[in-house]
Formats: sequence, structure tokens, C-alpha cells
Amino acid sequence: SQKIEQNSEALNIQEGKTATLTCNYTNYSPAYLQWYRQDPGRGPVFLLLIRENEKEKRKERLKVTFDTTLKQSLFHITASQPADSATYLCALVSNTGKLIFGQGTTLQVKP
Amino acid sequence: GAVVSQHPSRVICKSGTSVKIECRSLDFQATTMFWYRQFPKKSLMLMATSNEGSKATYEQGVEKDKFLINHASLTLSTLTVTSAHPEDSSFYICSARILDGAYGYTFGSGTRLTVV
Repeated sequence: SQKIEQNSEALNIQEGKTATLTCNYTNYSPAYLQWYRQDPGRGPVFLLLIRENEKEKRKERLKVTFDTTLKQSLFHITASQPADSATYLCALVSNTGKLIFGQGTTLQVKP
Repeated sequence: GAVVSQHPSRVICKSGTSVKIECRSLDFQATTMFWYRQFPKKSLMLMATSNEGSKATYEQGVEKDKFLINHASLTLSTLTVTSAHPEDSSFYICSARILDGAYGYTFGSGTRLTVV
């Protein structure tokens, strides 16, 4: 069956450290993968999209990698800040155009 | 950027009544919108795909008579929860796709439905 999984439900790190979140998928061949941020009681906000022919994508303190052989994407936040505390969701588009989400990783950055 | 406006943000209704949730694309036309449901500390579960001018496509296990979707124009999709029960209490979110996914999907701010 098709699955998209984020292996950590929660991640706690100290301010200034790099947070690394993992997303694995099975039985999909996505052309691209996306990462979203969701704050409590709000809808997800798009952060980054990485295509299958891109190994790495950066946006300010965010970095995403995409390994189609391992079927895995890593999401990094460098120099983390308490304001980065939120739930981060990976998502991919199925071949019918539906956006399917992982279960999310809740990041807590402590001062 | 592309914005999707969703309202109401919160609604409390009595069991047996119906509730309508609206989702509007403010500065773009959305031929397709998606409706999600989210339980506390859980991920978003796709309920249905709303297509302008045609019937919605529902995911397996979602009751189409319970969750009525109408997409009558290129900027408005509505979700009506009919004969609501306490187990329908949840967080409902709509979204639309932008430029074939090049800029991801944009989401509404969500509606917290509480059925008492």
C-alpha cells in the first residue's frame, strides 16, 4: 500500500541547533515533494517544493533534500529559533493530483 | 500570493442541524479545491476533491450525503455538514492548487466545528 511517513511525532531541540526532520514514502513515484508548516488551529502554510531531479533546495534557514533511491526527504532548519516551533508536514501529489500528507512532526525549540 | 479565504473560523451547532463552510479563492480562479478533515494531533485526511461545475469526488469512507460539496463558481467551494452529530466535530480545511503545484497548494485558515 502507499504510505508517506514522518518518523518522529515530536522533536525537541535547543535554540541555535539544527533541526532535522525525516519523511519516507513507499509505493509512490512523486515528481516532487513538498513541506508545510502548521501552527495550532491554523491551516498549513507552504514552505518548499523539491523536484525529483533536484538533490537539494534552500530557502533562508531551510534546506530540503530529496533522495528518490531511498524514497526519502530530509528537512533541515538551521540556527533554530523558538519561533520555529510548529508542526511540519511533508506531502506529495498522487498521480491523480491529490495532495497526501504525512502525519507531521511537532518541533519544539527551547530557548 | 494566492490566498484562500475560509469562513467561519469557528462554529458551534446543535446536533441534527446543518452547517455550511465556505472557501473562496481571492485572487485566482480555482477549478479544483480540496477538503480536508483533521483530528487533534493527527494529520490532514483528504475528504473530497471539489470540481467547478461538476460533482465532487469523495474519498473512500466519506459519506457524500453527509458532507455535501458544491463548487458552483471558479472562486467558491462550499462544504455542508448535514444533520451534524458530535462525532462530526473536527477541524475542516480547504485548499487549492496553484500553477500545477509549482508553488505548492494554498490552504484556508480552517474551520473548527463543534457539535453539541
